[in-house]
Amino acid sequence: GENVEQHPSTLSVQEGDSAVIKCTYSDSASNYFPWYKQELGKGPQLIIDIRSNVGEKKDQRIAVTLNKTAKHFSLHITETQPEDSAVYFCAARAGGNDYKLSFGAGTTVTVRA
Amino acid sequence: DTGVSQDPRHKITKRGQNVTFRCDPISEHNRLYWYRQTLGQGPEFLTYFQNEAQLEKSRLLSDRFSAERPKGSFSTLEIQRTEQGDSAMYLCASNPIAGGTDTQYFGPGTRLTVL
Repeated sequence: GENVEQHPSTLSVQEGDSAVIKCTYSDSASNYFPWYKQELGKGPQLIIDIRSNVGEKKDQRIAVTLNKTAKHFSLHITETQPEDSAVYFCAARAGGNDYKLSFGAGTTVTVRA
Repeated sequence: DTGVSQDPRHKITKRGQNVTFRCDPISEHNRLYWYRQTLGQGPEFLTYFQNEAQLEKSRLLSDRFSAERPKGSFSTLEIQRTEQGDSAMYLCASNPIAGGTDTQYFGPGTRLTVL
């Protein structure tokens, strides 16, 4: 099955700086890669996603890049704000008739004011 | 519609008891998923339904776990003879078939504590 690894496990940044989280996946057939943000006591909320036919996607301060050859994808958050503090998860979907998501272990991001 | 809802939000039970959780997906979402999340980990897939049909079950889903979606709307997840290792957050997600979207929308979860 799909195996997703995520690094780093914790990340502390100064407000206004950038944060980068990296993930690798094992199944070359995977074709959908979402990123979720989870705040304490809440369910994961989608913040951005990318499909395998696209190399990069941006939404305001958030961007995701995908390298299919290397089987890795990254989340970039620019101009970080205190409200960006949360746990972030990357995930991958294998494609075809396999609809489940395989998640990384998460990155706890702390934005220092 | 306000999103995926789950009930209860918290459940404390004693080892050996049975528990049942409910998930109400977003209206007209055909696919419904159950995941389990333990502290410090990402969600792990348990099972999913397309309408009322349960199409895939993870090996994590032991025979003490059963899930149903009888009318293709809400779903229930039952755990029989709970063990301390069942303590986790149980998350439900849904998405529609129409439109080809892969985005899964998650509910707030049910946090289970087995004493």
